[in-house]
Amino acid sequence: GAGVSQSPSNKVTEKGKDVELRCDPISGHTALYWYRQRLGQGLEFLIYFQGNSAPDKSGLPSDRFSAERTGESVSTLTIQRTQQEDSAVYLCASSIAHSDRAFYEQYFGPGTRLTVT
Amino acid sequence: AQTVTQSQPEMSVQEAETVTLSCTYDTSENNYYLFWYKQPPSRQMILVIRQEAYKQQNATENRFSVNFQKAAKSFSLKISDSQLGDTAMYFCAFIRPNIQGAQKLVFGQGTRLTINP
Repeated sequence: GAGVSQSPSNKVTEKGKDVELRCDPISGHTALYWYRQRLGQGLEFLIYFQGNSAPDKSGLPSDRFSAERTGESVSTLTIQRTQQEDSAVYLCASSIAHSDRAFYEQYFGPGTRLTVT
Repeated sequence: AQTVTQSQPEMSVQEAETVTLSCTYDTSENNYYLFWYKQPPSRQMILVIRQEAYKQQNATENRFSVNFQKAAKSFSLKISDSQLGDTAMYFCAFIRPNIQGAQKLVFGQGTRLTINP
């Protein structure tokens, strides 16, 4: 079956512009996660959505970052007034999430490489 | 807050050799999961192996095995009979279980592993 897909694969934008990054999770996965990976670094958690629960936004670095998810499908991560420090790979992951088990594997997409010039 | 530390930024071994990647973590939780992820140049995050903290037996997956020392909060990855395809960034990660079944991963900074022919 199809995995997690992200678009665009690469995005170059000018400082101060807004960008939208898209994630299509695996069908049936109720949880969706966004992570940021700066060059040569590990992944940093940004936000996750699970079903109808309020999203966990605790990792968003500033109010320029926001994300939405329509039901249990597509999610969009928006960065307003981009800065050079926003340059990174943005990775999306999805998983089943249910209280009958403590853990479900997260499946990652290929990421969007964002370059702010 | 949980933290994960990988003290080896880069490692290099010859094909067919055995290599061990180090990881330590800090948490006050008693129940959690630990993971090793592989990230080749394609950027795709691939789950290599996972360990549940309540299990004393070390996890193994073919050529990959872990040495989990809960008291020392250490979680190293051993790759036996290394292959050229093992060349990648390797990330150690931690999850604290969530009753809703969705959790955010906490990652280390990564170790760049190169297998030389």
